[in-house]
Amino acid sequence: GAVVSQHPSWVICKSGTSVKIECRSLDFQATTMFWYRQFPKQSLMLMATSNEGSKATYEQGVEKDKFLINHASLTLSTLTVTSAHPEDSSFYICSESSGSYNEQFFGPGTRLTVL
Amino acid sequence: RKEVEQDPGPFNVPEGATVAFNCTYSNSASQSFFWYRQDCRKEPKLLMSVYSSGNEDGRFTAQLNRASQYISLLIRDSKLSDSATYLCVVDTGTASKLTFGTGTRLQVTL
Repeated sequence: GAVVSQHPSWVICKSGTSVKIECRSLDFQATTMFWYRQFPKQSLMLMATSNEGSKATYEQGVEKDKFLINHASLTLSTLTVTSAHPEDSSFYICSESSGSYNEQFFGPGTRLTVL
Repeated sequence: RKEVEQDPGPFNVPEGATVAFNCTYSNSASQSFFWYRQDCRKEPKLLMSVYSSGNEDGRFTAQLNRASQYISLLIRDSKLSDSATYLCVVDTGTASKLTFGTGTRLQVTL
């Protein structure tokens, strides 16, 4: 499967600060990447679809002004959590869909803790 | 009704046992089906895609019943290293998006 990296792997920040998470596709030029969030003991929830060179598509209930997505190249998508609050603490994971059957391959995730 | 439903478990089985997981999905337009494995505090990893005719990969067998909108995963000769959460994943029918079940936790013991 495809190789996807994420940085940082974990981050702790104070309430009100912004945090940027990078997702890189290392062996595939990804026109589309996906951002998910997973709270403890819950399933992955799709937040948005990141489209290279155009605006991201957000899922219902996800604030686009709070979760800024930029996909400026075929190998890099970034998610910025603006003015983070404790309720934003979660496991953020990106993926890309290079499989022939629509399967997705995930980055290692970023664990965000907002104090 | 949830889009993808799974028994959360946990399933506690001894090494060498055979264990089966079931999953139902609600979107009849779904075309792609997968089982992913997720270890604690890690990302999901693709275990196998599920094809209409059913498919096998070593000790793992996946089955799909479109009429009943039901997917299964059978693990034979369980190993300690199989301990993980198994996620049933189904495409939404639009734009390559996937929907994840909450997962079934498996614990294989000595």
